[in-house]
Amino acid sequence: SQQGEEDPQALSIQEGENATMNCSYKTSINNLQWYRQNSGRGLVHLILIRSNEREKHSGRLRVTLDTSKKSSSLLITASRAADTASYFCATDTGRRALTFGSGTRLQVQP
Amino acid sequence: DAGVIQSPRHEVTEMGQEVTLRCKPISGHNSLFWYRQTMMRGLELLIYFNNNVPIDDSGMPEDRFSAKMPNASFSTLKIQPSEPRDSAVYFCASSLGTGQGYGYTFGSGTRLTVV
Repeated sequence: SQQGEEDPQALSIQEGENATMNCSYKTSINNLQWYRQNSGRGLVHLILIRSNEREKHSGRLRVTLDTSKKSSSLLITASRAADTASYFCATDTGRRALTFGSGTRLQVQP
Repeated sequence: DAGVIQSPRHEVTEMGQEVTLRCKPISGHNSLFWYRQTMMRGLELLIYFNNNVPIDDSGMPEDRFSAKMPNASFSTLKIQPSEPRDSAVYFCASSLGTGQGYGYTFGSGTRLTVV
């Protein structure tokens, strides 16, 4: 079963707008990670947030984590056409390998 | 570093044939993972290794699937005999460790089509 579930499944925005994706999970975690996958390619690690952190930034990316609600969000600010991809959250429970969510397909219109 | 290298990139085979997928992890990474991606089931962990030892193979669908890691720089995933429902993209990934807060580096995947 999926540990992480992303919402929405698909998102279409205009270039320059912000994109927000959400991830919910079921069990306690050590950390949560976000990955990007371009069409026909492998996943690329974007950012990791630990269970004792609430917010983290990396360039145009902002990740939040609410362990009480078992949820995380990924915000991409000032989106570009090159941000078009699928985005996945992955949970690390410390007991086995990462479990990936079902992903959000982001389309950024130029 | 060239990253995680998988071969072949594409494989088309007939039902019943043996298929072998190959992976070279990043040098120095201690953990290696095999995932399968389909539209219906998303990304599923098949098996992972720590220091060349299989740790968790609970995701391997059935006895038709086997994986080996004879040394730190090479792993194979074998399907024998293959079936149409095995059609998917198979990813290999490696990391510095498991459960310690390390990100994974993925290969480009092998797209397997069983006809």
